[in-house]
Amino acid sequence: GQQLNQSPQSMFIQEGEDVSMNCTSSSIFNTWLWYKQDPGEGPVLLIALYKAGELTSNGRLTAQFGITRKDSFLNISASIPSDVGIYFCAGPETDSWGKFQFGAGTQVVVTP
Amino acid sequence: EAGVAQSPRYKIIEKRQSVAFWCNPISGHATLYWYQQILGQGPKLLIQFQNNGVVDDSQLPKDRFSAERLKGVDSTLKIQPAKLEDSAVYLCASSFGTVNSPLHFGNGTRLTVT
Repeated sequence: GQQLNQSPQSMFIQEGEDVSMNCTSSSIFNTWLWYKQDPGEGPVLLIALYKAGELTSNGRLTAQFGITRKDSFLNISASIPSDVGIYFCAGPETDSWGKFQFGAGTQVVVTP
Repeated sequence: EAGVAQSPRYKIIEKRQSVAFWCNPISGHATLYWYQQILGQGPKLLIQFQNNGVVDDSQLPKDRFSAERLKGVDSTLKIQPAKLEDSAVYLCASSFGTVNSPLHFGNGTRLTVT
């Protein structure tokens, strides 16, 4: 079956630094979703991408739908303590309708 | 708009006992999902409903897990009997049900099986 690989697994950064993470798939996607999960809570949708090459921002977050349609990137600029959490990418299963699979997540730790 | 509601937030049971989780999706969302999230991993789909019908339950361990959405709105997920490896967070999500419409998650139920 298709696989979704997310990297890095974790990141330790200083407040004010920029953060980059990515997700790759073994198959072509027509949608990429990025979520953030805080401890004890459910994942919260950050950005949805629907078109190859699309670049979308949400505040200090920017996500891109890779031109090959097999990858996506999430950047956080000027990190702040509340950026701490686990970031997940998600994409639709092959030949499915509305069924999404998730990456293993990137844990972000921000130190003052 | 109100988000996805789940209850209980926490549950501790002994192995071989049964447990049930409840989910009320966002109003108007036709598609409802149950995901299992083991510590340190991403959510894994257990079952997907479209209105009151099952779209996909291929990864639901049907010998012990069951789920229903009888009236096409709220849903229950049951485990009977529970095993130690069922310890996880059970997340409910919903979406409008159009192709690739984003999922919106509840805060989950953290299950501990001892």
